[in-house]
Amino acid sequence: EDKVVQSPLSLVVHEGDTVTLNCSYEVTNFRSLLWYKQEKKAPTFLFMLTSSGIEKKSGRLSSILDKKELFSILNITATQTGDSAIYLCAVEAVRGAQKLVFGQGTRLTINP
Amino acid sequence: KAGVTQTPRYLIKTRGQQVTLSCSPISGHRSVSWYQQTPGQGLQFLFEYFSETQRNKGNFPGRFSGRQFSNSRSEMNVSTLELGDSALYLCASSLAGPGLASDTQYFGPGTRLTVL
Repeated sequence: EDKVVQSPLSLVVHEGDTVTLNCSYEVTNFRSLLWYKQEKKAPTFLFMLTSSGIEKKSGRLSSILDKKELFSILNITATQTGDSAIYLCAVEAVRGAQKLVFGQGTRLTINP
Repeated sequence: KAGVTQTPRYLIKTRGQQVTLSCSPISGHRSVSWYQQTPGQGLQFLFEYFSETQRNKGNFPGRFSGRQFSNSRSEMNVSTLELGDSALYLCASSLAGPGLASDTQYFGPGTRLTVL
């Protein structure tokens, strides 16, 4: 059975800290790994990763994938209170069909 | 471009009733996927439609069904509602079609269903 595991499940840090969120997976027919941020309702897209070792960056956020060790990390530097959210990792595991297998999410709280 | 829209945003039903939720994808997107999100189980895949055909299905009972129309809008139906069906139902759309590379799914705001 396809499985995605995120850690930690919950993290509380102070504004300005750097955080690293982890996502490991066990899936057959891996296609891509995606990171989403969920604040109130709709998860909003952050990154899609398909190749190992290529870092994707967007402002203070960055992410990288290791397809040999089957994990990805999401880094957030100089955190701000607006970064408080649930961060979801998902893996596309079926060729030709848009089906995502999600991890449990990491609830990140940034205290001022 | 307008994002993914879902209606209604909130719904309250009683056990045994049925419910229909609607999702309009981003213009030009032909794939629509449905997910159920609960505090205990997280986000779980229900099914995906492309060109009015169900391409993939998650592990949910037959009470959960869906369809897609020629304009790519999709509906999902839950019959004989149970208390455990209370959840946030999210739909996501993407461009992806047969043979295309992976494509990002964009989520709608969700429909919050409460079953009493």
